[in-house]
Amino acid sequence: NAGVTQTPKFQVLKTGQSMTLQCAQDMNHEYMSWYRQDPGMGLRLIHYSVGAGITDQGEVPNGYNVSRSTTEDFPLRLLSAAPSQTSVYFCASSSVGTNEKLFFGSGTQLSVL
Amino acid sequence: AQKVTQAQTEISVVEKEDVTLDCVYETRDTTYYLFWYKQPPSGELVFLIRRNSFDEQNEISGRYSWNFQKSTSSFNFTITASQVVDSAVYFCALSEAPGTGFQKLVFGTGTRLLVSP
Repeated sequence: NAGVTQTPKFQVLKTGQSMTLQCAQDMNHEYMSWYRQDPGMGLRLIHYSVGAGITDQGEVPNGYNVSRSTTEDFPLRLLSAAPSQTSVYFCASSSVGTNEKLFFGSGTQLSVL
Repeated sequence: AQKVTQAQTEISVVEKEDVTLDCVYETRDTTYYLFWYKQPPSGELVFLIRRNSFDEQNEISGRYSWNFQKSTSSFNFTITASQVVDSAVYFCALSEAPGTGFQKLVFGTGTRLLVSP
C-alpha cells in the first residue's frame, strides 16, 4: 500500500516558470490537501478538497491552483513561480470516520531562483 | 480564528532525561481536535496522537504521555527517558470538528528536540 505519493521529491525552478506538483493516494480517501512548510512557520494550508470536483482555499492560496478530477489525484500548480514559493510542500489525505487522521506524503522540496 | 503556540523553539537534553514540549491553543469552537506530529530529520510527518475536546484524560503510550487541560488551553507532550531517536521537530496542531477529514489543520511553529548521547 503506497499511501500518499508525491512527485517530484526535489525541484529547482527559475522565477516565472510554471510547474505542477503531483499528489496521488491509493486509499480511496475523500479528502486531500496541500500544505507548505517554511522555517519557523510550521505548516500552512494552501488548498484542500472534500471530494472530486470540489476544492477550496486555505490560509495561503495565492499563486497556486488546484483541481480534483479524480478521487486519487490532487495536483498543485504554480502558474508563475516566485522566490517566495521556495518551500517544502506536503500533500495529505484522509477519510471521514472514527479513526480520522491526516496521512502525509513525503514532501517536495522546491527552490525558486 | 484558531491558533497554536509552541513557545519552545528548540530544546536540548541528554539521553534519559525527561522532556516536556508545550502547546497552547486558541479556538472559539466548543468541539475541536488536537494533534501531535513528529518530523524526524528524514522529513516525513509521523502522526503521534489525536485528542478531542471532550476527552481530558491524560494518555500514555510507552515513553510518551500527553496532558490535555482545557482550563489552560494546553496540550503538552512529555517524553520520558528520552533517546537519541527522539531527536526531531514536534508539531502540535488544532482542527475543527470531524466531518472535514481534518483537512484544515492549524499547526504550531514546532519545537526542535535534540537528544544527545
